[in-house]
Amino acid sequence: AQKITQTQPGMFVQEKEAVTLDCTYDTSDQSYGLFWYKQPSSGEMIFLIYQGSYDEQNATEGRYSLNFQKARKSANLVISASQLGDSAMYFCAMREGLGDSNYQLIWGAGTKLIIKP
Amino acid sequence: ETGVTQSPTHLIKTRGQQVTLRCSSQSGHNTVSWYQQALGQGPQFIFQYYREEENGRGNFPPRFSGLQFPNYSSELNVNALELDDSALYLCASSLGRGVAKNIQYFGAGTRLSVL
Repeated sequence: AQKITQTQPGMFVQEKEAVTLDCTYDTSDQSYGLFWYKQPSSGEMIFLIYQGSYDEQNATEGRYSLNFQKARKSANLVISASQLGDSAMYFCAMREGLGDSNYQLIWGAGTKLIIKP
Repeated sequence: ETGVTQSPTHLIKTRGQQVTLRCSSQSGHNTVSWYQQALGQGPQFIFQYYREEENGRGNFPPRFSGLQFPNYSSELNVNALELDDSALYLCASSLGRGVAKNIQYFGAGTRLSVL
């Protein structure tokens, strides 16, 4: 079974509109971390936002916020006031457990976001 | 800018050859992780090094090997290259053990083409 599912292969959004990118995850661990990264066409993976499983409030970083619904195992990324520079691939990733033996990020397939002027 | 640098940026090899990819980690980070990203897919974890020792490995054959040096820079070596090894190879550095949030910061990647 997929551990990270991103159901939107691609999205077109008008500039200045808000956009929500979906991510659902599957884990039996109580402690885990959820991450969103942006990958422009240049290839570099850029960290956007992090949500820990025990964090009581939804994470926010500037124009990025994470809509974390633990019971539904969903961690959607919300980008407010989209800009042309937001056009990129967006990946949701998870790190299961928070101990020293848990190290790898597990990734979704990504969503290609295109912002229209 | 993450402070993580990878070299070379692009590489073309033929099947059966060997390749070495290099990564310099962000200042203060002692952990390096390597990922393979095939075209149109999410990254796949290859392995991680913490303070010069392998700290975990994904589902990759032994011909994928690595090293981490005392300055925490790292190498990824791939022997007997196959056509399916063509991918973007990403290196990420992080603070390592004992840090719950433990963000991984990535370099720009090395794009490997195997002909």
